[in-house]
Amino acid sequence: DIVMTQTPLSSPVTLGQPASISCRSSQSLVHSDGNTYLSWLQQRPGQPPRLLIYKISNRFSGVPDRFSGSGAGTDFTLKISRVEAEDVGVYYCTQATQFPLTFGGGTKVEIK
Amino acid sequence: QVQLQESGPGLVKPSETLSLTCNVSGYSISSGYYWGWIRQPPGKGLEWIGSMYHSGSTYYNPSLKSRVTISVDTSKNQISLKLSSVTAADTAVYYCARAPKASSTSTTVTTIDYWGQGTRVTVSS
Repeated sequence: DIVMTQTPLSSPVTLGQPASISCRSSQSLVHSDGNTYLSWLQQRPGQPPRLLIYKISNRFSGVPDRFSGSGAGTDFTLKISRVEAEDVGVYYCTQATQFPLTFGGGTKVEIK
Repeated sequence: QVQLQESGPGLVKPSETLSLTCNVSGYSISSGYYWGWIRQPPGKGLEWIGSMYHSGSTYYNPSLKSRVTISVDTSKNQISLKLSSVTAADTAVYYCARAPKASSTSTTVTTIDYWGQGTRVTVSS
């Protein structure tokens, strides 16, 4: 199985300031079709996960442009340009390049 | 707008079989996509259980494969999950979810784009 490792575990952020979350995979996520199936999910308190970013950097429908994704191979980053109160929650990276699908352990974003 | 809604018993006894159903609205499951299940133990992270295409192609997490069955009922636009011989370790919120395919001929999924609200299942006597 591909192991997904996220850092930090927790990220206290001041409203309006940027936040950054890192995700590293135990092997390359480049699929034989040339795509990299790395996604980011947001889980607000008491809510199901919600897709934010797919294929490294593509924002899903309705996702604000303050969220951006980058990276390649085994190292990926989610950035929030200016954190808002509604961004509080746990963020997960996930890979679909290889079955079984696997998830990072999560990064909690909270307001200072 | 695609909507997924899980239902089933909230309490299951150890060694019994957990059975859940997910009703899908806003999209016909026979029109494409993989449909499956993901769970989240209390206070913990996410674990993919498995996904199934309406034509029958199914993938399970090897850690659960011997105990899991996912099925699709296209006439009811539902997906189902059965997990046998449950223990306390199977206590979790269970989500049904949709996964797009990479292409019409591919067996690869690209992400998980829609999630249900989840249903909490406790395994206890």
